[in-house]
Amino acid sequence: GAVVSQHPSRVICKSGTSVKIECRSLDFQATTMFWYRQFPKKSLMLMATSNEGSKATYEQGVEKDKFLINHASLTLSTLTVTSAHPEDSSFYICSAKQGPYEQYFGPGTRLTVT
Amino acid sequence: GENVEQHPSTLSVQEGDSAVIKCTYSDSASNYFPWYKQELGKRPQLIIDIRSNVGEKKDQRIAVTLNKTAKHFSLHITETQPEDSAVYFCAATSGGGSNYKLTFGKGTLLTVNP
Repeated sequence: GAVVSQHPSRVICKSGTSVKIECRSLDFQATTMFWYRQFPKKSLMLMATSNEGSKATYEQGVEKDKFLINHASLTLSTLTVTSAHPEDSSFYICSAKQGPYEQYFGPGTRLTVT
Repeated sequence: GENVEQHPSTLSVQEGDSAVIKCTYSDSASNYFPWYKQELGKRPQLIIDIRSNVGEKKDQRIAVTLNKTAKHFSLHITETQPEDSAVYFCAATSGGGSNYKLTFGKGTLLTVNP
């Protein structure tokens, strides 16, 4: 299957600071990438859809000014958590769409806000 | 929007037995149904998928069946092994083009006892 990387794998930041997470498709071009959030022992919750060269589409209830998404190239999408608070602590996973259907996931980023 | 229900939430089987996980979906326009396996702290991995023009698909010990009329699909794992222990998620597509996205079930924790 296709390979998707994500960086960093873990990050600890102080409340009020911003954190950037990168998602890369390594062996294919992805016009569409997705950002999910996963709470412990829970399912994947879609936060936003990132299309290369256009604005991201956010799911209902997700603050676009807090979770900034940029998809500047066909292999890179970034998620910036701005003014992070402890309640933003979570596991963030990106995925990239290859072809019309298949989504391949990155390894995830464990964010802890202190 | 799409709603995906998954059952059971937990499943425990003896090594060598079969395991079946069932999902239902609400959007009759859904046309792609992937299954993901997620080990603790790892990324979801695509293990098998099925498109709406097919009723059944098999890959070694894993098979998926789809009933579009009833809007349900199932994952079948035969000859289970301890390494099959993980959380399994079903998903269904909704939207198309730039509105395409996957909606996930809540997951099934499968435990295969040696």
